Amino acid sequence: DQQVKQNSPSLSVQEGRISILNCDYTNSMFDYFLWYKKYPAEGPTFLISISSIKDKNEDGRFTVFLNKSAKHLSLHIVPSQPGDSAVYFCAASALSGGSNYKLTFGKGTLLTVNP
Amino acid sequence: SQTIHQWPATLVQPVGSPLSLECTVEGTSNPNLYWYRQAAGRGLQLLFYSVGIGQISSEVPQNLSASRPQDRQFILSSKKLLLSDSGFYLCARQTYNEQFFGPGTRLTVL
Repeated sequence: DQQVKQNSPSLSVQEGRISILNCDYTNSMFDYFLWYKKYPAEGPTFLISISSIKDKNEDGRFTVFLNKSAKHLSLHIVPSQPGDSAVYFCAASALSGGSNYKLTFGKGTLLTVNP
Repeated sequence: SQTIHQWPATLVQPVGSPLSLECTVEGTSNPNLYWYRQAAGRGLQLLFYSVGIGQISSEVPQNLSASRPQDRQFILSSKKLLLSDSGFYLCARQTYNEQFFGPGTRLTVL
């Protein structure tokens, strides 16, 4: 049973436009959400995160929105650049004893930004 | 900086052969460490995590094992590889609520 779902396997946008990547979760115990960017044959790079006590977090061109009632979060990239082309993973975590946070990942969305 | 090293970067192994993948972390003491696998077309699956030397928790039943012989060293092993063990293996360390990943090891089992 997938607890974190990214229903769009791919997304294509024009350079300069907004990219919106979506993520849904089912486990109400999740209290922290993260987005990672991954290029082929490299480890994921942390992008941005949001705590469940907030509904928005912004960092430069990246904004993450959290709708707890809908168990939905989204990553907005504005403006999109060709270098943003990568696979984006949504992840969620809940404190699982002591200081250990286990991350549950979605399957990822391949973003292609066309020049 | 807190750097994560993974060795080797790529590996091609025959079915039934043993495996040892190494992860070492710099710049931090007693980190929580994690092993993930990304299979083709799939997301990242947590395999093992460790909160300290000699402490290993397994997330999924499989023919892989993990060990933490030193504070900053996390090893993923297998006695006999299966075809289904092919994938991209990632080591991660935890800092507060976030996890940061190493460069990964591409394993192909033939």
